[in-house]
Amino acid sequence: QSVLTQPPSVSAAPGQKVSISCSGSSSNIGIYYVSWYQRLPGTAPKLLIYDNDKRPSGIPDRFSGSKTRTSATLGITGLQTGDEADYYCGTWDSSLSAVVFGGGTKLTVL
Amino acid sequence: QVQLVQSGGEMKKPGSSVKVSCKASGGTLRRYAISWVRQAPGQGLEWMGGIIPMFGTANYAQKFQGRVTITADESTSTAYMELSSLRSDDTAVYYCARDVGSSSYSVVRFLDCVSWGQGTLVTVSS
Repeated sequence: QSVLTQPPSVSAAPGQKVSISCSGSSSNIGIYYVSWYQRLPGTAPKLLIYDNDKRPSGIPDRFSGSKTRTSATLGITGLQTGDEADYYCGTWDSSLSAVVFGGGTKLTVL
Repeated sequence: QVQLVQSGGEMKKPGSSVKVSCKASGGTLRRYAISWVRQAPGQGLEWMGGIIPMFGTANYAQKFQGRVTITADESTSTAYMELSSLRSDDTAVYYCARDVGSSSYSVVRFLDCVSWGQGTLVTVSS
């Protein structure tokens, strides 16, 4: 059981837009920044979003992040088949004194 | 750019220990927040703990307290993660990862892992 709750899967057609939600609580998302990671099969995770809505160098602006109170959302526009991956949200939890991740969301580009 | 290179895969018996290394290539680890994250088959990402070598003290997830030890050797620019009392459900790919680097101490630095090692498969089986 993950501390952060994500939908197990989402899907959309190429070129379309998708949103992935991440729900937490007042001890984590409510007070700390949220990061998002992409994990392509067989590769190490890649940081897509940090500090709720910032993109590291090299991450296209098709990826965006937002946060409201105890929830966060990853948005992906102009979907490509290469975006098929597992996506994870993460943040710090003050009760657990640890980084916590969501259970991951599998994105299928139909 | 500092790249992280991890040690090779390990096969271990239940009850034993494993020590995975993470060497910085192209620089030192001193200013980076180094996290250890694992992913078991069919499971999600799990943060085990981390260390910022310039400050020395490691942080551990409660789940692994007492079983995991994270250290850093600045002379060799290598971080280590040792997990003891191994069980079959410790079978996973173990990653080290670093942030962008800073001279400030903040636990939230462990969240922003911009560069990852290649992963080390640890298999625990009798």
